[in-house]
Amino acid sequence: DSGVTQTPKHLITATGQRVTLRCSPRSGDLSVYWYQQSLDQGLQFLIQYYNGEERAKGNILERFSAQQFPDLHSELNLSSLELGDSALYFCASSATSDGLEQFFGPGTRLTVL
Amino acid sequence: AQSVTQLDSQVPVFEEAPVELRCNYSSSVSVYLFWYVQYPNQGLQLLLKYLSGSTLVKGINGFEAEFNKSQTSFHLRKPSVHISDTAEYFCAVISGNTPLVFGKGTRLSVIA
Repeated sequence: DSGVTQTPKHLITATGQRVTLRCSPRSGDLSVYWYQQSLDQGLQFLIQYYNGEERAKGNILERFSAQQFPDLHSELNLSSLELGDSALYFCASSATSDGLEQFFGPGTRLTVL
Repeated sequence: AQSVTQLDSQVPVFEEAPVELRCNYSSSVSVYLFWYVQYPNQGLQLLLKYLSGSTLVKGINGFEAEFNKSQTSFHLRKPSVHISDTAEYFCAVISGNTPLVFGKGTRLSVIA
């Protein structure tokens, strides 16, 4: 158990819908990272927050957004969902912003029908 | 942009045999290298990392990796694998201020 929790574990929704994925980092960790894992794209970095501020941005679509709240939990919002958004979404956390020791959550499996 | 190549998508190996999973990264001034393992239906777990110092890095579960700057490689090895090592293994790199970049993964299947 990494100490990072993600909810829900599974999510099934329809095209065009909007969903919110939630991540609670390990106690004391200030950084939260979001990743997407799909069969064709592999594991891709989406976005990083550090102590409430956006720190780095990767291949995140404009339809996707994230935020980190004062209690340090983070949410990833995916809107206007397409079939191709079906993937595993992982959250990771680390104590510092350099990303050198990231602890991954179990992931949320999103299926868009 | 930094990239990571895992040369084998699948590696079958018999139990108690040695294994090497290959990883090459695109050259950069300085890199930090990682191996993560993903067991079925689970998140990623850090196996080992190279930040600086000794080029031979030992990790959990008996795995080790060697950083070779001249060959831009960071191959993962284990002298004797167990059935429980069956999983997907990801090599990853951080270079400068870039975020973690992963390879496509190598699926290790240990055969009894």
